[in-house]
Amino acid sequence: EPEVTQTPSHQVTQMGQEVILRCVPISNHLYFYWYRQILGQKVEFLVSFYNNEISEKSEIFDDQFSVERPDGSNFTLKIRSTKLEDSAMYFCASRRLAGGRGTQYFGPGTRLTVL
Amino acid sequence: SQQGEEDPQALSIQEGENATMNCSYKTSINNLQWYRQNSGRGLVHLILIRSNEREKHSGRLRVTLDTSKKSSSLLITASRAADTASYFCATDPQGAQKLVFGQGTRLTINP
Repeated sequence: EPEVTQTPSHQVTQMGQEVILRCVPISNHLYFYWYRQILGQKVEFLVSFYNNEISEKSEIFDDQFSVERPDGSNFTLKIRSTKLEDSAMYFCASRRLAGGRGTQYFGPGTRLTVL
Repeated sequence: SQQGEEDPQALSIQEGENATMNCSYKTSINNLQWYRQNSGRGLVHLILIRSNEREKHSGRLRVTLDTSKKSSSLLITASRAADTASYFCATDPQGAQKLVFGQGTRLTINP
């Protein structure tokens, strides 16, 4: 069964450094998402992406964050200058159908630790 | 309370018993989805129920949705130790391009 994959599984970085988290969504899906989960807290929406542009973003997704679909398979989240509070599990998700008709399938996550 | 609030926050039962978790939300939705998360791991999709559906079954899972009360419940029958995990409801609000998650219910099945 197709699945969303994410790399790396764990990323450790120093405060102020740039990180890029990578995701490969399910191949026939058109809608892509990033969420994060701070340890012990609920999953929070960051951004949704469709047709090569952001369709919605949360207040968390400030100028330090960006997303890109550099080719036909990858979907990346970049944090330009990491802060301690960016430490979290980051989940990528994808969906085939629009308008709330489809299931969002999540990847296994990347645990980001900012020191 | 925020969109997608579950209760109880924690539930501990004996293997073989049924587990019921509830979720309440505030806005109009397209659908509501339930996910399971083992400690420190990814989110596994369990079941999706559309706003025009009232009940749905999948194996040992039964989900209900009451849009008039803006609430949903997840029932796991004949629980097993492997069901130990956190369970989250996530709403797909109308007019939005995201899922809104609740705080989750931490379920522990005691052998």
